[in-house]
Amino acid sequence: TQLLEQSPQFLSIQEGENLTVYCNSSSVFSSLQWYRQEPGEGPVLLVTVVTGGEVKKLKRLTFQFGDARKDSSLHITAAQPGDTGLYLCAALIGGSQGNLIFGKGTKLSVKP
Amino acid sequence: KAGVTQTPRYLIKTRGQQVTLSCSPISGHRSVSWYQQTPGQGLQFLFEYFSETQRNKGNFPGRFSGRQFSNSRSEMNVSTLELGDSALYLCASSLPGTGVKNIQYFGAGTRLSVL
Repeated sequence: TQLLEQSPQFLSIQEGENLTVYCNSSSVFSSLQWYRQEPGEGPVLLVTVVTGGEVKKLKRLTFQFGDARKDSSLHITAAQPGDTGLYLCAALIGGSQGNLIFGKGTKLSVKP
Repeated sequence: KAGVTQTPRYLIKTRGQQVTLSCSPISGHRSVSWYQQTPGQGLQFLFEYFSETQRNKGNFPGRFSGRQFSNSRSEMNVSTLELGDSALYLCASSLPGTGVKNIQYFGAGTRLSVL
């Protein structure tokens, strides 16, 4: 059973389009993280959201944590080819010294 | 500061062999976690070491083991390799923070192919 469900699995869009990817769970989390992984590299942390309803912006990326802290979304405005990569959401389980669990990711391809 | 370094980057083994992968964390980071990444299962947690002790363990068979040295460098070992062990193995290091401070810095991974 996957604790974190990400959708869509794959997304192929043209440069300049907007998109939203989702990370859903039936569990409540104290925080949620988003990572981006480019081919041949390890994931890199983009943001951590902590408070229910929180919205964080990172240039053209907007992250939202659901009010109930069970889900999160990532919205990209005017996507660029440099946004291409695998977007992963992750949550800490097992308490403050627990470990991270990851969703399977959304593979985004932005064509010029 | 140098990032997380994993060696080797690529490895080809045959079924039944064993393999050892190495991870050098960012200087000052004492926690090292290992993950297996496959297209079907995604990123799955293997285990975490902190101050040379295994602190957390994922749901993997005993063929997967690890250790951490006094300089925080870590190795993971997979014995009696199976075809299904083919994957990208990622190592991540973090400061000894807790909760939201548990920011993981990943290496580029070791791509293991089992033939």
